Amino acid sequence: DGGITQSPKYLFRKEGQNVTLSCEQNLNHDAMYWYRQDPGQGLRLIYYSQIVNDFQKGDIAEGYSVSREKKESFPLTVTSAQKNPTAFYLCASSRYSGRGDEQFFGPGTRLTVL
Amino acid sequence: GENVEQHPSTLSVQEGDSAVIKCTYSDSASNYFPWYKQELGKRPQLIIDIRSNVGEKKDQRIAVTLNKTAKHFSLHITETQPEDSAVYFCAAPGAAGNKLTFGGGTRVLVKP
Repeated sequence: DGGITQSPKYLFRKEGQNVTLSCEQNLNHDAMYWYRQDPGQGLRLIYYSQIVNDFQKGDIAEGYSVSREKKESFPLTVTSAQKNPTAFYLCASSRYSGRGDEQFFGPGTRLTVL
Repeated sequence: GENVEQHPSTLSVQEGDSAVIKCTYSDSASNYFPWYKQELGKRPQLIIDIRSNVGEKKDQRIAVTLNKTAKHFSLHITETQPEDSAVYFCAAPGAAGNKLTFGGGTRVLVKP
């Protein structure tokens, strides 16, 4: 629960600006994930990382970028190429990257484009 | 890739009654099926999961059943209470790695 933090809680962006969402975990988890949640909908995978310095695109990666330079950090940049970025963004981590390992979620960042 | 469908999208029950949510998946290689509960504005939290080597799992008032042949799994909540009101999501990983594909969610309202 307290092992995954996201900041900021709320973020406002003007059209055409890039913004970076922070995700940090102190659980010593290998794998980290970014999901997007739109009102009344499920979670969709943006990017995931199984180990440091490696990451793969999820189902909706266009307009987003990530980095994984440290095991505990997996920041997400929402670029101006993302046409409809207003959403709730959730970061998650799991101890390992294999199937069946529980994913723990952060508290989320609510992004609004003005 | 994996495709997960969840029904119903909303469910209203009287306190004390049971609630059942069903999910179907497409990838027969999926072997892990978690259920998450999300309260309004909060993070999803795992409430129960099942692996493909068992057909049913219970934890107090919550149970999950799995039918691998039909590729569907269900969440059962008995003796519902107002605090069970939330959105529930099912998920499945597909063939590779721990990428989860989520269902669209079920909003459960327990009426006192």
